[in-house]
Amino acid sequence: GQQLNQSPQSMFIQEGEDVSMNCTSSSIFNTWLWYKQDPGEGPVLLIALYKAGELTSNGRLTAQFGITRKDSFLNISASIPSDVGIYFCAGSNYNTNAGKSTFGDGTTLTVKP
Amino acid sequence: DVKVTQSSRYLVKRTGEKVFLECVQDMDHENMFWYRQDPGLGLRLIYFSYDVKMKEKGDIPEGYSVSREKKERFSLILESASTNQTSMYLCASSLGQGAEQPQHFGDGTRLSIL
Repeated sequence: GQQLNQSPQSMFIQEGEDVSMNCTSSSIFNTWLWYKQDPGEGPVLLIALYKAGELTSNGRLTAQFGITRKDSFLNISASIPSDVGIYFCAGSNYNTNAGKSTFGDGTTLTVKP
Repeated sequence: DVKVTQSSRYLVKRTGEKVFLECVQDMDHENMFWYRQDPGLGLRLIYFSYDVKMKEKGDIPEGYSVSREKKERFSLILESASTNQTSMYLCASSLGQGAEQPQHFGDGTRLSIL
């Protein structure tokens, strides 16, 4: 099946630093989604991307749909302690896998005050 | 807001027991999913369903079955629980088929098999 490589696996940063993480795929996707999972809860959608080259922001978060349609990036600016959690990318292609997403393994973010 | 409710946050069962994990969504979503989450392995899809009484295997269906008798409810069944099924189980739902709708997750059931 389709596989996603998400990196880095974990990050330890100081409060106020910027964060970057990315996902790459061997297959083309026509949707990229980024989720965040707070400790003890289920993942929650942060940003959805539907078009190659699209750049979308949600507060301090910015995500991009790579032009090749095989990658996506998530940046967090000026991190704060509540950014702690696991961030997942997910890609889907309704032409080949309608309704189903492939998830990356997650990036665990720790923010030191 | 979409609400996906999993019946238990924590569950402890014994090896060989038949275990039922229940999930209910309140937004009339067509698609429902069951994942397990283990450290370092991300979210792995066990089964999913596009419609009532319809089910399809995900990436790791062995040892599991599912039931979708009503649109809002999707049950995961461990026929004979084993210790390697100790994990966090997440249910999700999404709207429609073909449109790339995000999945909405429940808060998970942490299952321990002793």
